[in-house]
Amino acid sequence: DAKTTQPPSMDCAEGRAANLPCNHSTISGNEYVYWYRQIHSQGPQYIIHGLKNNETNEMASLIITEDRKSSTLILPHATLRDTAVYYCTPLNAGNMLTFGGGTRLMVKP
Amino acid sequence: NAGVMQNPRHLVRRRGQEARLRCSPMKGHSHVYWYRQLPEEGLKFMVYLQKENIIDESGMPKERFSAEFPKEGPSILRIQQVVRGDSAAYFCASSPFLAGSGDEQFFGPGTRLTVL
Repeated sequence: DAKTTQPPSMDCAEGRAANLPCNHSTISGNEYVYWYRQIHSQGPQYIIHGLKNNETNEMASLIITEDRKSSTLILPHATLRDTAVYYCTPLNAGNMLTFGGGTRLMVKP
Repeated sequence: NAGVMQNPRHLVRRRGQEARLRCSPMKGHSHVYWYRQLPEEGLKFMVYLQKENIIDESGMPKERFSAEFPKEGPSILRIQQVVRGDSAAYFCASSPFLAGSGDEQFFGPGTRLTVL
């Protein structure tokens, strides 16, 4: 299964774009990249996922490099409510999500 | 459409007792997953079930832990003879389709188990 590496913490000013990187250099060709976030101790909230192409939805954009070894989650206009731990996780063929340490994003006014 | 439901939200047990955690998936979802989160750590996969079948239990401890997802009713995660190290948040997730389809898993609010 692919391993992911994320910076442990990041700060972002309110209203600015938050760019959260994730390294998944061992990801296999059929593994999707999923992003979830966890606010306080709540259940993880799905954000976005992709396989090869860049993706965008109402919450965020996902940029995946051509070699699929890394990706970046972009929150275009961060708000205080986006303060959370963000997890980048591959979804393997067995439908198992593998959560690492994540990035603790602090959005500051 | 209600989300994934878990109960109880908080559960306190003494060492040696049994803990039963329940998960009702989203309507129309036939796949259920259990994850455990120890304090200050990320979520760890435990078990993946489809109705009446265990698909993958590679993350389940070999002893004291069991899971089921009967034809009718919620999925149950059962921990027998609990120990203090079982104290954690247990999250359930559900999805509608088979592995590899790229469908997201939706998580419940979790059950926080405290073992005294």
